[in-house]
Amino acid sequence: QSVLTQPPSASGTPGQRVTISCSGSSSNIGSNTVNWYQQLPGTAPKLLIYSNNQRPSGVPDRFSGSKSGTSASLAISGLQSEDEADYYCAAWDDRLHGWVFGGGTKLTVL
Amino acid sequence: QVQLVESGGGVVQPGESLRLSCAASGFTFNNYDMHWVRQVPGKGLEWVAFIPYDGTNKYYADSVKGRFTISRDNSKNTLYLQMNSLRVEDTAVYYCAQASEGWGQGTLVTVSS
Repeated sequence: QSVLTQPPSASGTPGQRVTISCSGSSSNIGSNTVNWYQQLPGTAPKLLIYSNNQRPSGVPDRFSGSKSGTSASLAISGLQSEDEADYYCAAWDDRLHGWVFGGGTKLTVL
Repeated sequence: QVQLVESGGGVVQPGESLRLSCAASGFTFNNYDMHWVRQVPGKGLEWVAFIPYDGTNKYYADSVKGRFTISRDNSKNTLYLQMNSLRVEDTAVYYCAQASEGWGQGTLVTVSS
């Protein structure tokens, strides 16, 4: 069971906006920044969002992140077929002294 | 451009050892904390170990504590993971990662008799 809680699946049609939630606690999301990773089938995770809402260069602005209290969200607007992937949230946990992950959300583009 | 390249994976028997390496380039390695993360194929991500930029306070997941050792050589821009007393349940793809810079492509470790 993962320390951070994500829905196991999400879906949308091309052009739609979808959001993926990530719920934690005061020792992780509540006191540290959140990163989001995209993992396409058969590939390594790729950094999508860091420090709650910052996009690395090369990541389209269709992807955005936010954080409030002990929860975070990833929003994908203008959904495209190539967005079909697994998405993971992550944050440092001060109590566990470790990097904790969500269980991953499999995004399907219908 | 950030590049992290892992090596050292392979097939070993239970109880044996392996040493993974991760060569870093494209960023100032000695300024950044680093992690090892593993993933059983088809499953989620599991954090394994952390080392700060200066190699001081290291942390480990309970599942590997006492068996795995993370280290780094900042003069060689390289991160290591020494894995001893390997178990079947350690079988996974191992990634080196910098939380806000990127991940490597992974190296597969298979522990099987």
